[in-house]
Parts: sequence; structure tokens; C-alpha cells
Amino acid sequence: GAGVSQSPRYKVAKRGQDVALRCDPISGHVSLFWYQQALGQGPEFLTYFQNEAQLDKSGLPSDRFFAERPEGSVSTLKIQRTQQEDSAVYLCASSFSHPYAYNEQFFGPGTRLTVL
Amino acid sequence: GIQVEQSPPDLILQEGANSTLRCNFSDSVNNLQWFHQNPWGQLINLFYIPSGTKQNGRLSATTVATERYSLLYISSSQTTDSGVYFCAVALSGTYKYIFGTGTRLKVLA
Repeated sequence: GAGVSQSPRYKVAKRGQDVALRCDPISGHVSLFWYQQALGQGPEFLTYFQNEAQLDKSGLPSDRFFAERPEGSVSTLKIQRTQQEDSAVYLCASSFSHPYAYNEQFFGPGTRLTVL
Repeated sequence: GIQVEQSPPDLILQEGANSTLRCNFSDSVNNLQWFHQNPWGQLINLFYIPSGTKQNGRLSATTVATERYSLLYISSSQTTDSGVYFCAVALSGTYKYIFGTGTRLKVLA
């Protein structure tokens, strides 16, 4: 498909488990973003990659959150020792160009994480 | 930080009605998008519109950057228009999108 894809779509984890969420951006898109959306709220920025470089991780809520994009394409968001407050939808977005200029972002369907 | 406020927060329409959604932001922006989040949670791009006016079918949008607001017009609404509408902005010189509070729209048949 031509859009952003994410897997898994749903993930249930027991408190304390580690999880890994995958994002496949649109082919050729330079910029990749992760957002977290709590129930009833708008998405909130977590981190940004330009190709393989993580240029901003200021939105990651704790050091249990880690993201990577080793080859400048697929990205993985990892959450260690999950807590109940990590329950949310995790959205990935990509855009074609340098983000200070034209920066139309395209979003994936999200991964809904539930921590029991 | 920048504030992004949307109004109204909730809107109920009869099918066929028109509506205007508003997004106010508190600082200069160089990127602005309108999204529709459908009941399945997918964020659908409606417009990339940091300034000016665009139209796409029954939808149109206008951003007046100097006055720090954007409007989304929905004409002849359909039940499939139901969902949450978000505007998202990025400050000049930054790339982080800040999402507004959203407008929850329900269109009744």
C-alpha cells in the first residue's frame, strides 16, 4: 500500500512487560514522527527522525521509552517495563521533505496499547 | 507554549446542513493541517493550509495566518462526516505539530 502502516494494531501487555511497536513510513519520506494519543485527547508529539538521525526526543515521557530508525526507513518505538499510564494509541507519521518547510504529515492507523 | 483552541467542542447536525469549524492559535505558524479522525481512529488528511484558501469537494478551508486562525467549512454534511476534526500547527522554525482540542461532530440521518 501507499500509506503509513503500523503493527500491531492492538497490543495488550501485562504491567512490567516490554513492547515494541513498528512503523513503516511512506517510501521515500525523510521525516518520521511518533505521537501518543490518550483517550479523548489530541495526539502529542513524542519524537522525530530525519532519515536515521533522531533529532528530537523531547516528548518521550520517560527513559523507559526508546525509538530507533536504523536504516532511515522502518522505525520501532520500544517501551520497557510498561505501566498502566502507558495505555494509549501510538501514532506514527511521515512527511516527504525537510520539516521546517513544507511539512504535510501523513499518519498511520495507530497501535492501541492496553497495559493491564 | 503555543495554544491551539478549536470551537465548537461538540456539534450535532442534521444530514445536509452546513457548518464552520474554527481553529485559533496563539503564535506564528508555518505549518497547519486539518484532519478528520474517523470512528476507527484513523487520522485522515483534509488540508495542508498554512495560509490561503483551498477547496476539496464539499470541504473548504481558509487560514488567515496574520490573524492566527483557520476555518474549516463542511457543506451538505453526510453521516460519514461524523468523527473528530483536529487542526494541528507547527510554530515557525519548528516541526512539532501541536494539536488542537478537537471538534466532535455527529451528523444525524
